[in-house]
Amino acid sequence: ETGVTQSPTHLIKTRGQQVTLRCSSQSGHNTVSWYQQALGQGPQFIFQYYREEENGRGNFPPRFSGLQFPNYSSELNVNALELDDSALYLCASSLPGEGYNEQFFGPGTRLTVL
Amino acid sequence: AQSVTQPDIHITVSEGASLELRCNYSYGATPYLFWYVQSPGQGLQLLLKYFSGDTLVQGIKGFEAEFKRSQSSFNLRKPSVHWSDAAEYFCAVRPNTDKLIFGTGTRLQVFP
Repeated sequence: ETGVTQSPTHLIKTRGQQVTLRCSSQSGHNTVSWYQQALGQGPQFIFQYYREEENGRGNFPPRFSGLQFPNYSSELNVNALELDDSALYLCASSLPGEGYNEQFFGPGTRLTVL
Repeated sequence: AQSVTQPDIHITVSEGASLELRCNYSYGATPYLFWYVQSPGQGLQLLLKYFSGDTLVQGIKGFEAEFKRSQSSFNLRKPSVHWSDAAEYFCAVRPNTDKLIFGTGTRLQVFP
């Protein structure tokens, strides 16, 4: 069973550029959540995708957008990058629904904005 | 609004000593509570979780946590720390099905 994978591992961009981060969910998981973890902080929820639709969003501006594909993999896109977007971006996959469904996290993508 | 507070930013213990990491939450109903561990360069690994029932929950790697509703706390404990436990620890609450709300984390350093 393959766990959650993310690519790339590290990325350096400049202000104003756009970036796409990728996530492959754990086998059988059809729900993907994205989190931003700034240095010295806990992860903050960006949004969740279920069956290719956004299923909840945190307090992030519209320049943070996402996609989920039929194979349940997902992308996080960030437009007009700002210095404060520098962070570790974590992807987590899970099964949907009520009750407890554990979120399994990938190793993250470290984004640096210069 | 729901929130999680981890009052200790950094804790240092000697190997073999006991450990308690504090977590306080703010949430109206009975929450789903979690502890995660993050090693350098790694994602988050679930240590344990609480939904209901027995307020003392056992997790992996010898960790346990106790839910105390009266104190809005969910402290993580381990009777004897190993050098490999050095990492960042996050407490989290799940207010609904889509997201986790994390605390700011506690960095654990273990001296031999």
